[in-house]
Amino acid sequence: AAGVIQSPRHLIKEKRETATLKCYPIPRHDTVYWYQQGPGQDPQFLISFYEKMQSDKGSIPDRFSAQQFSDYHSELNMSSLELGDSALYFCASSFGTSGTHEQFFGPGTRLTVL
Amino acid sequence: SQQGEEDPQALSIQEGENATMNCSYKTSINNLQWYRQNSGRGLVHLILIRSNEREKHSGRLRVTLDTSKKSSSLLITASRAADTASYFCATDGSSASKIIFGSGTRLSIRP
Repeated sequence: AAGVIQSPRHLIKEKRETATLKCYPIPRHDTVYWYQQGPGQDPQFLISFYEKMQSDKGSIPDRFSAQQFSDYHSELNMSSLELGDSALYFCASSFGTSGTHEQFFGPGTRLTVL
Repeated sequence: SQQGEEDPQALSIQEGENATMNCSYKTSINNLQWYRQNSGRGLVHLILIRSNEREKHSGRLRVTLDTSKKSSSLLITASRAADTASYFCATDGSSASKIIFGSGTRLSIRP
């Protein structure tokens, strides 16, 4: 079965650079979620989209922005990167919101900021 | 953790034994989910239990939910080396459009 696809899988950037992470949800899933997991930490919710509209916002820095496109894929844009942004970034998708449907996670993008 | 606390933080058992992990949460929920994560890898969904369910089984996994105590447990029976991973519970908390993870239990299975 098709899973959530994230690209790139690994990304190395310098401080103050920008990065764009992409997420392709499972077909027919209409909700996308972004999470950040620092080393040794639990995943932290960043932002979610339902039917291309932002549905919830968590601890996402102002330097980050995201959107969901008409084909339901999503992109997380990160600017003015800091060392502390080094983390695993997960995208998850579901059909409908999480209240009734399980979220399926992608393999993650490992971002390293040097 | 914002929502869930897991107990224990680390657990080491002999292969073949059962492993029990507990999770407590703070707000009312619609459902609670358990995930597994191998070191530095993605999150694998294990099981979802709804707030009106008390117990759910999936293969060697058994999940219980006690909404009056705001707690859940994950039991893995007849553990295997491949079960070595971190296990997280996650709840939808006060919002249905996101889930909040607990701090995780690191499970090690000794051969």
